[in-house]
Amino acid sequence: SQQGEEDPQALSIQEGENATMNCSYKTSINNLQWYRQNSGRGLVHLILIRSNEREKHSGRLRVTLDTSKKSSSLLITASRAADTASYFCATDASSATNKLIFGTGTLLAVQP
Amino acid sequence: DTEVTQTPKHLVMGMTNKKSLKCEQHMGHRAMYWYKQKAKKPPELMFVYSYEKLSINESVPSRFSPECPNSSLLNLHLHALQPEDSALYLCASSHVTKRGINTQYFGPGTRLTVL
Repeated sequence: SQQGEEDPQALSIQEGENATMNCSYKTSINNLQWYRQNSGRGLVHLILIRSNEREKHSGRLRVTLDTSKKSSSLLITASRAADTASYFCATDASSATNKLIFGTGTLLAVQP
Repeated sequence: DTEVTQTPKHLVMGMTNKKSLKCEQHMGHRAMYWYKQKAKKPPELMFVYSYEKLSINESVPSRFSPECPNSSLLNLHLHALQPEDSALYLCASSHVTKRGINTQYFGPGTRLTVL
């Protein structure tokens, strides 16, 4: 399977703490994206990092990418209860198709 | 308008029924997708339409039949489904890949239960 792996599978933290989740993938990529999914709802795009970038910030989100290790991490700082959701990384299968390959996901619970 | 809409929100059907799921977007996207998602799993790609033509079919059983009547609409026709087909069905859209950048916009999904 081309599917990426994410760890941890589940993470529980207190409001105000930082949350870090990791993604590993198997093939070379053009870019890597992170999506959030609230329970039973559609996915929402959070941030995209290109293969020639090492770090990117968006508000309380910080994404890193290490193409030599085929891995990425998503850091959410100063977490809020509203950040409770599943987080998926997604990589492009190739630039010739529109196919994304999603990781296994991390379920984040932020306790108020 | 950055919204992808899906109807119905919930659907319960028997194994002999025929039903359809609908998806609509008005963002000018020319790529549209159907995904199937089981609980606590990532979305699994089923079909991709690019410029209203089927470009990817991930070996989906023929009891699922996609249709793209125009650039804004995507349907998924269901017939003779099995209980294991019960899942959340997600529609998404995006611009056709340019330089490998493919941000997808998802609808809220249809929760399907097959009895």
